[in-house]
Amino acid sequence: QQQVKQSPQSLIVQKGGISIINCAYENTAFDYFPWYQQFPGKGPALLIAIRPDVSEKKEGRFTISFNKSAKQFSLHIMDSQPGDSATYFCAGHSGSARQLTFGSGTQLTVLP
Amino acid sequence: GEEVAQTPKHLVRGEGQKAKLYCAPIKGHSYVFWYQQVLKNEFKFLISFQNENVFDETGMPKERFSAKCLPNSPCSLEIQATKLEDSAVYFCASSQGGTNEKLFFGSGTQLSVL
Repeated sequence: QQQVKQSPQSLIVQKGGISIINCAYENTAFDYFPWYQQFPGKGPALLIAIRPDVSEKKEGRFTISFNKSAKQFSLHIMDSQPGDSATYFCAGHSGSARQLTFGSGTQLTVLP
Repeated sequence: GEEVAQTPKHLVRGEGQKAKLYCAPIKGHSYVFWYQQVLKNEFKFLISFQNENVFDETGMPKERFSAKCLPNSPCSLEIQATKLEDSAVYFCASSQGGTNEKLFFGSGTQLSVL
């Protein structure tokens, strides 16, 4: 019930390309869906987040698409840059538990 | 402070020894969370605090793990009698609370049990 499934495990994109990472969740009690970016040796940092009453949110080159009926959401990185190379984690937040359940992560490599 | 501070950055323990990790949340944040990250992938929730009170401890292996958040002191996570499988990066995060779900993470403590 608490699981968040994330794919792909790894992704290689050319500079300027579009990176797409997908997540699916089971717990309908999730009320907030953040994406975190993690660089080696660092803690995850919030990148962008969406609430389930919105179908899309865009911040700069980063867009979350959310499909409530399918219980799926995805991160799109437009014009991908080598500096975007990192591990990306999706998550679902349960308001009552005040707890994040993370996906398994996607290692993104953007080639120069 | 403006960032979550975790100490030490690295900790090496022999199997069976005790390990103690510390976390200073961002000033003004009411909630503190501990997560365990194994093999740079899965994050496992361990425990959360609302101020000095345990909020949720459903992820804690209670037989060897304990945690505290006392007033005017860094929060701590202690592992008694460490095992090889405890080797992981332990992250602390804090949030303001209320309706603000945004978590700020520290840089983690890498625990190596030999």
